[in-house]
Amino acid sequence: RKEVEQDPGPFNVPEGATVAFNCTYSNSASQSFFWYRQDCRKEPKLLMSVYSSGNEDGRFTAQLNRASQYISLLIRDSKLSDSATYLCVVGLNTGFQKLVFGTGTRLLVSP
Amino acid sequence: NAGVTQTPKFRVLKTGQSMTLLCAQDMNHEYMYWYRQDPGMGLRLIHYSVGEGTTAKGEVPDGYNVSRLKKQNFLLGLESAAPSQTSVYFCASKPGQEYYEQYFGPGTRLTVT
Repeated sequence: RKEVEQDPGPFNVPEGATVAFNCTYSNSASQSFFWYRQDCRKEPKLLMSVYSSGNEDGRFTAQLNRASQYISLLIRDSKLSDSATYLCVVGLNTGFQKLVFGTGTRLLVSP
Repeated sequence: NAGVTQTPKFRVLKTGQSMTLLCAQDMNHEYMYWYRQDPGMGLRLIHYSVGEGTTAKGEVPDGYNVSRLKKQNFLLGLESAAPSQTSVYFCASKPGQEYYEQYFGPGTRLTVT
């Protein structure tokens, strides 16, 4: 079983749509949670951290459910520029704060 | 600030050849990492360093060596390249232990034929 599992997609949505991605993680000792964005043939970049209380950054909302070991990302009012791969990332305190990356969920926003 | 830079951007090697990938950061970060990214797999950690002069193995270290002689540079070496090492290699850095966010370089696309 992968440590971090995501639906690879692609999710094809029209501009203005709301789309949600989910991710599950297997290690209950995971301490920190993130969504990274990766554009085609580019490096991953931090989109947002995910907190137990849930957090919002503009059109993006992230939620964490520690009991179910589940993380979600909601994107409202999708833009063409949101087309990318979204990586679910979990941090483990192994002495050097190891990050475990999911394989990513691909989003395609069309006009 | 340039952030994290990687050279070269692309490279094609023949099986058995050697090469070194260079990662440089100008943010005075203590921690540096080398990852590889393959289709259908998440980024996998090859080696990492928690400070100048220190290195440690990650999940997939076989076939690679690293050095961190200067704080700003982290080198990844392939002594005898194999087709299985065809991948995109990303370097990353972060300020220190208390931080989780890593800053990534633009990547090196390596093909081994």
